[in-house]
Amino acid sequence: EVQLVESGGGLVQPGGSLRLSCVGSGFAFSTYWMSWVRQAPGRGLEWVANLNQDGGDKYYDDSVRGRFTISRDNAKNSLYLEMNSLRADDTAVYYCATDRGDGGSHQFDPWGQGTLVTVSS
Amino acid sequence: DIQMTQSPSSLSASVGDRVTITCRASQSISIWLAWYQQKPGKAPRLLIYKASSLESGVPSRFSGSGSGTEFTLTIRSLQPDDFATYYCQQYNGFSRYTFGQGTKLEIK
Repeated sequence: EVQLVESGGGLVQPGGSLRLSCVGSGFAFSTYWMSWVRQAPGRGLEWVANLNQDGGDKYYDDSVRGRFTISRDNAKNSLYLEMNSLRADDTAVYYCATDRGDGGSHQFDPWGQGTLVTVSS
Repeated sequence: DIQMTQSPSSLSASVGDRVTITCRASQSISIWLAWYQQKPGKAPRLLIYKASSLESGVPSRFSGSGSGTEFTLTIRSLQPDDFATYYCQQYNGFSRYTFGQGTKLEIK
């Protein structure tokens, strides 16, 4: 079964840090670009960051650049998101997602179940 | 950055109806558009990619069309399982992905 499972979410104070993890199974994890996508409560989907197959190319949305770091360990089929200087507007469910590129087309499938990050004092 | 605008933001329909959701891009994105379905508390599910390609396992009552800046998702003969929120998503070739704001499809 193709699956992504996130972990690491929780309650953190403003200015704090958190590390999210995502483990993939049932597919060739190391051959895909991977992304983090978040969804604030009651809001829409927002792409956060992605990286290529060997982790050498990384891209970030302007809202998290300089605060978040995406990485991967292909030996462990794992994707990570290190989040620092967290703010209240970072509160969201964070999904890891596989970028299933097909020529010029890039769409996300599969997705993990999501992990909730709450930034509050 | 390319902006994606979905319409309507919400829609009420009945089982058996045909519904159409529109997504407009602020500049041409060729056919590089995907559609997702999301139910409360669940991850999004890919329905359509490359504007009109049906994802494996998705019922054929779902279809997508369009190119350039205007795209549509059509659901023919709505089923009870189809009431959800739908998102479009574009990729602009510079590792930038943008989602539409979503369309909530509710039972009339």
